[in-house]
Amino acid sequence: DVKVTQSSRYLVKRTGEKVFLECVQDMDHENMFWYRQDPGLGLRLIYFSYDVKMKEKGDIPEGYSVSREKKERFSLILESASTNQTSMYLCASSLTSDTAYNEQFFGPGTRLTVL
Amino acid sequence: AQTVTQSQPEMSVQEAETVTLSCTYDTSESDYYLFWYKQPPSRQMILVIRQEAYKQQNATENRFSVNFQKAAKSFSLKISDSQLGDAAMYFCAYRGIQGAQKLVFGQGTRLTINP
Repeated sequence: DVKVTQSSRYLVKRTGEKVFLECVQDMDHENMFWYRQDPGLGLRLIYFSYDVKMKEKGDIPEGYSVSREKKERFSLILESASTNQTSMYLCASSLTSDTAYNEQFFGPGTRLTVL
Repeated sequence: AQTVTQSQPEMSVQEAETVTLSCTYDTSESDYYLFWYKQPPSRQMILVIRQEAYKQQNATENRFSVNFQKAAKSFSLKISDSQLGDAAMYFCAYRGIQGAQKLVFGQGTRLTINP
């Protein structure tokens, strides 16, 4: 079974802190994604990566950056956390291919609270 | 840009009965994939069912089936013989054929099963 793990289930940080959210997948997937989930808004894509050291902005990249130094690991970075970044963050991964269907597998999520 | 709309924030159904969750989407593409994901309380998001737009036949997975109306851009999920374990947030999602494997999600529908 594909396993996507996230470093923390719950995280509380203060405004202005630099925050790292880590995601690891164990199935050699090329694609990795970071979403944030907010009530009434569903999931919105922040960043994704289709290869090591490659990244692309999603729909809401402002205030975030990412790092992918190894294939299995994809980190989301909040350079200076703000209260409006309080949310549930979901990581996902999938096999590569531009056209063929490949299921995205999700991690358990990190609920981040910024005080 | 593609959009996905779920107009029912909450639904409830009696155990053993049938419920239908609605989803509409907007796209200018002719070929794409549609998905329903399930997110149980405090558990990971999992794929329930998927539909390829080029297939006229509606997808079915055990008690879950879809009603895909391409011209109307409608993609509803029917759950038959509802069980307590079906209680969850359900998200409809769209993925285009071209380009990266980004998913566009709807707002979600919270389904409650009444015993």
